[in-house]
Amino acid sequence: VQLVESGGGLVQPGGSLRLSCSVSGFSITTYNMKWVRQAPGKAPEWLAFSGTDGTTTWYADSVKGRFSIARDNAKNSLFLQMNSLRAEDTAVYYCARFSYASKSMDVWGQGTTVTVSS
Amino acid sequence: QSALTQPPSASGSPGQSVTISCTGTSGDVGGYNYVSWYQQHPGNAPKLLIYEVTKRPSGVPDRFSGSKSGNTASLTVSGLQAEDEADYFCSSYAGSNNLIFGGGTKLTVL
Repeated sequence: VQLVESGGGLVQPGGSLRLSCSVSGFSITTYNMKWVRQAPGKAPEWLAFSGTDGTTTWYADSVKGRFSIARDNAKNSLFLQMNSLRAEDTAVYYCARFSYASKSMDVWGQGTTVTVSS
Repeated sequence: QSALTQPPSASGSPGQSVTISCTGTSGDVGGYNYVSWYQQHPGNAPKLLIYEVTKRPSGVPDRFSGSKSGNTASLTVSGLQAEDEADYFCSSYAGSNNLIFGGGTKLTVL
């Protein structure tokens, strides 16, 4: 079971990035998934949720309207489209397998770093 | 919603026990039995240690235990080992599909 994030990097304020999470060892069709980020020196923060039905999505208020979560079942992958990026979006971004029953993330990726700076 | 409060650091000698606290409010830790604990070694992915306050996923040693009293949850690491040196953070369900996290505690094995 492995999650591998990619797509992070340096982007200017107002710019966009698309993060990917490649999943192996299980099918994302049977699991809920989340994106979580951790800014330097701060607590982690959940950003987005994607349900097993492929259509249910929830977002934290801090990213609602700017970020969009999606999944490609054929590629067994999860994505996070990030628009209108701000300096405060600078963080390590993780994808994680989420258990709705226990409200916990039982598998995490190693993260990809996003830096928003001019 | 504010983050859960954890001490920034904790320490203990090999073989000792250490307890890390995670304080929230009646709207999160105190209101739901959905507290989780994670271990993270530098550069590695977080690992789930405890879920639903006291439950351990398979493969997690029983040296790790969780508890809750009121608005404070705790993680106890018994029989400290060198490999337990890591960052630990808690999370709690806070209603309305919201999860909040603690700021993390760096555990040092002396």
